[in-house]
Amino acid sequence: GVTQSPTHLIKTRGQQVTLRCSSQSGHNTVSWYQQALGQGPQFIFQYYRKEENGRGNFPPRFSGLQFPNDSSELNVNALELDDSALYLCASSSNSGANVLTFGAGSRLTVL
Amino acid sequence: DQQVKQNSPSLSVQEGRISILNCDYTNSMFDYFLWYKKYPAEGPTFLISISSIKDKNEDGRFTVFLNKSAKHLSLHIVPSQPGDSAVYFCAAGEANNFNKFYFGSGTKLNVKP
Repeated sequence: GVTQSPTHLIKTRGQQVTLRCSSQSGHNTVSWYQQALGQGPQFIFQYYRKEENGRGNFPPRFSGLQFPNDSSELNVNALELDDSALYLCASSSNSGANVLTFGAGSRLTVL
Repeated sequence: DQQVKQNSPSLSVQEGRISILNCDYTNSMFDYFLWYKKYPAEGPTFLISISSIKDKNEDGRFTVFLNKSAKHLSLHIVPSQPGDSAVYFCAAGEANNFNKFYFGSGTKLNVKP
């Protein structure tokens, strides 16, 4: 399946954070979602073949990387209190109907 | 601007009865819809999907109905089981643009034994 690390972390406002994701075997596309408390997941961006392939309504301080083994990182700079959320990584194959396979998420708390 | 809405935050159903979860969307470009189930401390898991060329899709105890004119979809679970207790999210996207899905805020289903 999809594995994410770390599972929980606490940062202070203004710091930077890196979240990591290993995609499911055979999947070449990675998407990142932010789920605030009481809300549904909100699309941040997607990576395919190491290129950003679509972006949601998030500022440039949210950035990502996809590595040759299709694992991925989400980086957030200049953390704000509203960045506190569950960050979900989802992998999929870029063929036909696109069912997302999600990891358990990384819970970020910004103080 | 929420393009996918689940207006019922919670639903309680007796074991063995039918659970009906509802979802509305506003974007007429959406033509692919999914339901995900989420248990605490786990990621959402795919349950069932439907494309806009159909109005019904069935998989075991789970059936999704799509009413395109009303921009409404529903998930029926029959019979409901205590293990179905979870948060259910509906999601919508465009079949020619699978890089982005819009999710509702979820409905927490409690199936009572």
